[in-house]
Amino acid sequence: KQEVTQIPAALSVPEGENLVLNCSFTDSAIYNLQWFRQDPGKGLTSLLLIQSSQREQTSGRLNASLDKSSGRSTLYIAASQPGDSATYLCAVGFSGSARQLTFGSGTQLTVLP
Amino acid sequence: NAGVTQTPKFRVLKTGQSMTLLCAQDMNHEYMYWYRQDPGMGLRLIHYSVGEGTTAKGEVPDGYNVSRLKKQNFLLGLESAAPSQTSVYFCASSYSVGQGALQETQYFGPGTRLLVL
Repeated sequence: KQEVTQIPAALSVPEGENLVLNCSFTDSAIYNLQWFRQDPGKGLTSLLLIQSSQREQTSGRLNASLDKSSGRSTLYIAASQPGDSATYLCAVGFSGSARQLTFGSGTQLTVLP
Repeated sequence: NAGVTQTPKFRVLKTGQSMTLLCAQDMNHEYMYWYRQDPGMGLRLIHYSVGEGTTAKGEVPDGYNVSRLKKQNFLLGLESAAPSQTSVYFCASSYSVGQGALQETQYFGPGTRLLVL
């Protein structure tokens, strides 16, 4: 079964710290990988999408990397702010089921002022 | 644009009751999806649609039915609600940019919280 795992489930850091969120997946045959942000009681907002042929994507203070061979992706957040506090979800589009995203259970990030 | 909207926002049902969740998008997207989110389990795909009049099963389709009679709407039905269907339901939509699923970002609605007693 194709699975996506995010560890840790929760992370707390002081404001200004650079941090890395991790995502691992069980099958290297993927179409793409996406990182989403979810605020409490809200829907998901797409942050970054990495195609299978790409190694990384950047948007502002966010940088996502993809290593298919090891089945890993990281989301790097630079100079964290309290407004970054949210749950971050990783989702993978596995080959053969491209429009069926498989989600990790998320990492709940708290940035302390 | 309103993006993706969901109706209702919250609902309480008794076991055995039926209901329909409505998802609407105003972005002219071809693809629409229904997910459920349970604590500690991430989102799981229930059903999806690749165009008007088409539907397909996702990972957890049992107990649910869907219809896509209009391109902008995707309905999720529960014929006989069970406590195991207590969850938060999210609708999403996406469009193709010509390379299949490679560049398809999904846009999510705000969710519907359903409690089945």
